[in-house]
Amino acid sequence: DAGVIQSPRHEVTEMGQEVTLRCKPISGHNSLFWYRQTMMRGLELLIYFNNNVPIDDSGMPEDRFSAKMPNASFSTLKIQPSEPRDSAVYFCASSFGLAERDPPFFGPGTRLTVL
Amino acid sequence: GDSVTQMEGPVTLSEEAFLTINCTYTATGYPSLFWYVQYPGEGLQLLLKATKADDKGSNKGFEATYRKETTSFHLEKGSVQVSDSAVYFCALQDDKIIFGKGTRLHILP
Repeated sequence: DAGVIQSPRHEVTEMGQEVTLRCKPISGHNSLFWYRQTMMRGLELLIYFNNNVPIDDSGMPEDRFSAKMPNASFSTLKIQPSEPRDSAVYFCASSFGLAERDPPFFGPGTRLTVL
Repeated sequence: GDSVTQMEGPVTLSEEAFLTINCTYTATGYPSLFWYVQYPGEGLQLLLKATKADDKGSNKGFEATYRKETTSFHLEKGSVQVSDSAVYFCALQDDKIIFGKGTRLHILP
């Protein structure tokens, strides 16, 4: 299995631009998580989906952030407009399911720099 | 709410030293507990897990025991190697996964 796939791996953009991060979970996994990692705040859970449905988005910083999961094999995290404080590494992770308490597998991350 | 607290880093040890990284948690239910490791420039990898009290998770020489009475899940290794240098995250899973802030480990040759 290829594992969780994220793209792009690196993104540099200017303040005010729209940024879209993409994730392909492991085939057969029913839960998908988006995390943000910074030196100051550590690893923060932004949102997670179960069977393509958003379950908890309480970690999404503000309305500039949105996430979708149109099908079981694809999810996006969008920031519009982006700000320098959004600079971080964004991780996508997937697992078999919440009920099974299966630990998630992480993708390699997208390093976002907003100038 | 649920939370995980792990020791502040960085932790610096010489090769072959004994390692302990402390982790304690608070949870309203009966969570599963995990340790993840993150090598530079990579995502988090599951190192070991324990799903109920007194379970011991182990992998690559690392061990951790789920202690319900002390709400702890300390990570240990008897003899560390330079290749163990990484950031280690303790985590719990009840309905969602919550991570500690991570502990950076440096092993000197």
